[in-house]
Amino acid sequence: AQKVTQTQTSISVMEKTTVTMDCVYETQDSSYFLFWYKQTASGEIVFLIRQDSYKKENATVGHYSLNFQKPKSSIGLIITATQIEDSAVYFCAMREGDNNNRIFFGDGTQLVVKP
Amino acid sequence: NAGVIQTPRHKVTGKGQEATLWCEPISGHSAVFWYRQTIVQGLEFLTYFRNQAPIDDSGMPKERFSAQMPNQSHSTLKIQSTQPQDSAVYLCASSWDWGDQDTQYFGPGTRLLVL
Repeated sequence: AQKVTQTQTSISVMEKTTVTMDCVYETQDSSYFLFWYKQTASGEIVFLIRQDSYKKENATVGHYSLNFQKPKSSIGLIITATQIEDSAVYFCAMREGDNNNRIFFGDGTQLVVKP
Repeated sequence: NAGVIQTPRHKVTGKGQEATLWCEPISGHSAVFWYRQTIVQGLEFLTYFRNQAPIDDSGMPKERFSAQMPNQSHSTLKIQSTQPQDSAVYLCASSWDWGDQDTQYFGPGTRLLVL
C-alpha cells in the first residue's frame, strides 16, 4: 500500500494567486515527520518545508505553509502569491518515527504558474 | 557549503557493462541515502548509511546492485552488468541524524542511460 498519496497530478494557476496541493499519508507510528520537496525543470530537488507530527502549529516558511490535519492524515502545501518560478513538481514525503531515516515519497504534483 | 555532490552527472553504458556512481555528502552529515527516479516508478528508495554503516538496503535490487561508504566523505553505488531497465536518474541525499535536523538534502543526480 502506498504510504504517501498525492491525488492531484497537475495543477495550473495564474500568477500571484494561492494554490493548495493535497497529500495524505498512512502510518501506524505515533511520531512521524512530513516533508515537501520541489523538483525544478533542471531536475534539482529542493527541500521546502517540514511538519513534525507532535507539533500542533502549522509550519510556515516564506510563502510556503502547511495545513496539517492529523485526524485526516493530511498535510497540504499552500503557496501564496505564486510566481512563475514556482512552476515545478512538488513531492510530499514522510519519515516514520522508528529508528530508520528512510522517507517515502508521493508521486508528485505538477504545478504550472501562468503569467 | 557545496551541497551534495554527485559524479558523473551523465553516464552512458552499454548493456552488460559496469557503472559506478559517486556521491559526496554535505560535510558533517552522518546519513547518506540513495534513490532512483524514473517516469514509471517515481522516486524509489534504494539504500542508506548512517555513520558509514549500512542501515537499510531494502530498496536495492538483490542482484547486480551494491552500495558502499568507505569513509564519511563519499559513497558509491555500483551496478554490475547494466541492463536497459537500469536507466534512471540516481539521486544521493544526505542529512544529519538527530532530532529535527534529519531533513534530507539532495544532490543533482546522475542520469544513467544503458543502451
